[in-house]
Amino acid sequence: DAGVTQSPTHLIKTRGQQVTLRCSPKSGHDTVSWYQQALGQGPQFIFQYYEEEERQRGNFPDRFSGHQFPNYSSELNVNALLLGDSALYLCASSITPDTGELFFGEGSRLTVL
Amino acid sequence: AQTVTQSQPEMSVQEAETVTLSCTYDTSESDYYLFWYKQPPSRQMILVIRQEAYKQQNATENRFSVNFQKAAKSFSLKISDSQLGDAAMYFCASDNYGQNFVFGPGTRLSVLP
Repeated sequence: DAGVTQSPTHLIKTRGQQVTLRCSPKSGHDTVSWYQQALGQGPQFIFQYYEEEERQRGNFPDRFSGHQFPNYSSELNVNALLLGDSALYLCASSITPDTGELFFGEGSRLTVL
Repeated sequence: AQTVTQSQPEMSVQEAETVTLSCTYDTSESDYYLFWYKQPPSRQMILVIRQEAYKQQNATENRFSVNFQKAAKSFSLKISDSQLGDAAMYFCASDNYGQNFVFGPGTRLSVLP
């Protein structure tokens, strides 16, 4: 039973560029959430996708956008990268939006130079 | 808005001893979930223990147990018989049934041989 998988594991971008991060949820899960974790801090909620729609969103600018596909996998896109976007981006899946238990991937480490 | 506070940025414990990590939270909801997640250096967040607010009995998972004080909005984690593999960042989190999953800033636990 595959858990949550994310790609790429590491990437380096320069300011102003765009990045796409990908996530496949745990088998049987239909809900995907994205979190940003700055170094030494707790994860901050970006948004949650369910039934291919953004169900709720945290306090992040419109430069952060996402998508969920019919197979429940998801992408996180960040445009016009800033130095402050450097972080570990975590994807988490759950059985439904309301179960309250998240299963996490290993994350994608983004460095913006 | 929900908030989660962990007042101990770092803790250390001797192997085989017991340690307690503190967490307080603030929510206006009467029903919610509380969690402790562990993040080892490998980065993947792992669920340690979960508590449903309507249950008065404290949750236990092997060497891990919680002291849930709903009126005081306190949710501490006790690790008994500490092992070297317990060394990690520990995050307390609250969730209003998928509406607002919020993490605390974390406590770094070191286990001394």
